[in-house]
Amino acid sequence: KNQVEQSPQSLIILEGKNCTLQCNYTVSPFSNLRWYKQDTGRGPVSLTIMTFSENTKSNGRYTATLDADTKQSSLHITASQLSDSASYICVVSLSYNTDKLIFGTGTRLQVFP
Amino acid sequence: DGGITQSPKYLFRKEGQNVTLSCEQNLNHDAMYWYRQDPGQGLRLIYYSQIVNDFQKGDIAEGYSVSREKKESFPLTVTSAQKNPTAFYLCASSGRGIYYEQYFGPGTRLTVT
Repeated sequence: KNQVEQSPQSLIILEGKNCTLQCNYTVSPFSNLRWYKQDTGRGPVSLTIMTFSENTKSNGRYTATLDADTKQSSLHITASQLSDSASYICVVSLSYNTDKLIFGTGTRLQVFP
Repeated sequence: DGGITQSPKYLFRKEGQNVTLSCEQNLNHDAMYWYRQDPGQGLRLIYYSQIVNDFQKGDIAEGYSVSREKKESFPLTVTSAQKNPTAFYLCASSGRGIYYEQYFGPGTRLTVT
């Protein structure tokens, strides 16, 4: 069964600290993996997209890594800010149907001053 | 949210009534999607459309209907047959670029009592 699992479910950190969110997937055949940021009550916004041949991709203070062999990805947030408080969703795309995405349940991150 | 609008932001309806959620995009994207988001669950695909006058059922289409008469618009009707309609509904659109990246609207929170 195609699944995306994220950990932890929730995370609390202090402003200025770094954190890493994890994503494991069992989706096959794999096309690409995306990380989205979703503020409460808003639509998700794309942070990074990686194909199987890309190991790392950065977007400002956000750095995503992908290990296609172990089917694991991580999202590292550097020098966290209060505005980083949001849910972070890992999403995997099937290669044979790019219209159907497999969504994780997200990690809820709270950054406190 | 850029380029995709959903209205209204909040919607309240009595049980047994049909309700239509609006989604408009000005990104010139061919594909459009409707998702449902419930607490603790990943986004689930309701319907999607790759071209005007054509659409396909997603994973949870029962109790919903859509139309795609214009490229810019993809309204979703939540019918009285949907058993648990209260949820956060997200519309997305996608171009046909290499990543088929989906851009999400701000969402509509529907409450049925």
